Amino acid sequence: NAGVTQTPKFQVLKTGQSMTLQCAQDMNHNSMYWYRQDPGMGLRLIYYSASEGTTDKGEVPNGYNVSRLNKREFSLRLESAAPSQTSVYFCASNLYNEQFFGPGTRLTVL
Amino acid sequence: QKEVEQDPGPLSVPEGAIVSLNCTYSNSAFQYFMWYRQYSRKGPELLMYTYSSGNKEDGRFTAQVDKSSKYISLFIRDSQPSDSATYLCAMSVGFKTIFGAGTRPFVKA
Repeated sequence: NAGVTQTPKFQVLKTGQSMTLQCAQDMNHNSMYWYRQDPGMGLRLIYYSASEGTTDKGEVPNGYNVSRLNKREFSLRLESAAPSQTSVYFCASNLYNEQFFGPGTRLTVL
Repeated sequence: QKEVEQDPGPLSVPEGAIVSLNCTYSNSAFQYFMWYRQYSRKGPELLMYTYSSGNKEDGRFTAQVDKSSKYISLFIRDSQPSDSATYLCAMSVGFKTIFGAGTRPFVKA
């Protein structure tokens, strides 16, 4: 089992560009999450999906959209990237309150 | 006020000493309490998990929860240089998990 996979691993964008971060899990978990991690801020929840077909905002949703494509895949889209979105992005799936994280995507917005 | 507060350090301990990490929280609705370990450039991994007040031991690690004081702790006995990582406390209710900012102890050989 690969667990939680994320693509790409690294990305550099210019202000105003758009991109989609991909996440997939092969553990048959119902709920999936997108976090961003910034120095001194810990992990902050952007969006989550409690089950296939549902999505909800987290603590910092502005500037992001998500799609729960099916049970396995949960993507995060930046429509018009801003320097404040420079961060490390983690996708996670959840089973009985244990979160399983992917390896992260390091995004820099210039 | 943040729902979960965690002192980021710095924290330096000699090899073999006890590492003591702690978090406070404000939301009494939190039901589950966790500690995650994160090595540099990796995703966090669950280290300890508990849902009640008291102590839980796993090898060199002890997690402590005091719901009346809204305070949780993680102790690492016989610390080793390989324990130098970021430790994130986390608390959950329903579908949401809130993480602390993380503490990175430095264990000196």
